[in-house]
Amino acid sequence: AQSVTQLDSHVSVSEGTPVLLRCNYSSSYSPSLFWYVQHPNKGLQLLLKYTSAATLVKGINGFEAEFKKSETSFHLTKPSAHMSDAAEYFCVPSGGYNKLIFGAGTRLAVHP
Amino acid sequence: GAVVSQHPSWVICKSGTSVKIECRSLDFQATTMFWYRQFPKQSLMLMATSNEGSKATYEQGVEKDKFLINHASLTLSTLTVTSAHPEDSSFYICSARRTAGNSPLHFGNGTRLTVT
Repeated sequence: AQSVTQLDSHVSVSEGTPVLLRCNYSSSYSPSLFWYVQHPNKGLQLLLKYTSAATLVKGINGFEAEFKKSETSFHLTKPSAHMSDAAEYFCVPSGGYNKLIFGAGTRLAVHP
Repeated sequence: GAVVSQHPSWVICKSGTSVKIECRSLDFQATTMFWYRQFPKQSLMLMATSNEGSKATYEQGVEKDKFLINHASLTLSTLTVTSAHPEDSSFYICSARRTAGNSPLHFGNGTRLTVT
């Protein structure tokens, strides 16, 4: 079965500094992995997805993630944080029967 | 633009009444939709998988008689919270896929339910 661990429940950065949100996966085979973002009282928006076509995946809003099989990681990064990036971020594996199972998420705070 | 529409975005109801939440896929057919529940500052909890033309599949611990799901067409799934109580107050989110397999889910904007 696939599962992920988001290593940080909260991350705080200053505006203009890099963002790193960590995600490690556990799977017996190459998984499909997604990063979603949720702003307060909103649904979820897909940032990017990994489906084995390329290990470095570029998403929307300047985010990208690199799939590293040797480290079983799929960390989300952005070179320069904006205030509007403050939100909850979820690293999600594609589960059985096509359903997505969400972990705890990482809350990103961006300070001026 | 939004590909999954959820309505209403918020609703307040009295204890004992029932509330229906609609989830529509706007430009694609969805044989399967998913309903999630989210408590404040917590992650999303999968409640059930809605299957067009057949019974929904509920996750362990979710009362099927409490949370009625109907997926009568390829673009519409509804969740009815029956005999609502204050502990049912939560944020409910639906989602759908364009195709089967590992394509991503598209989410509605959620429904904030408050039961007084």
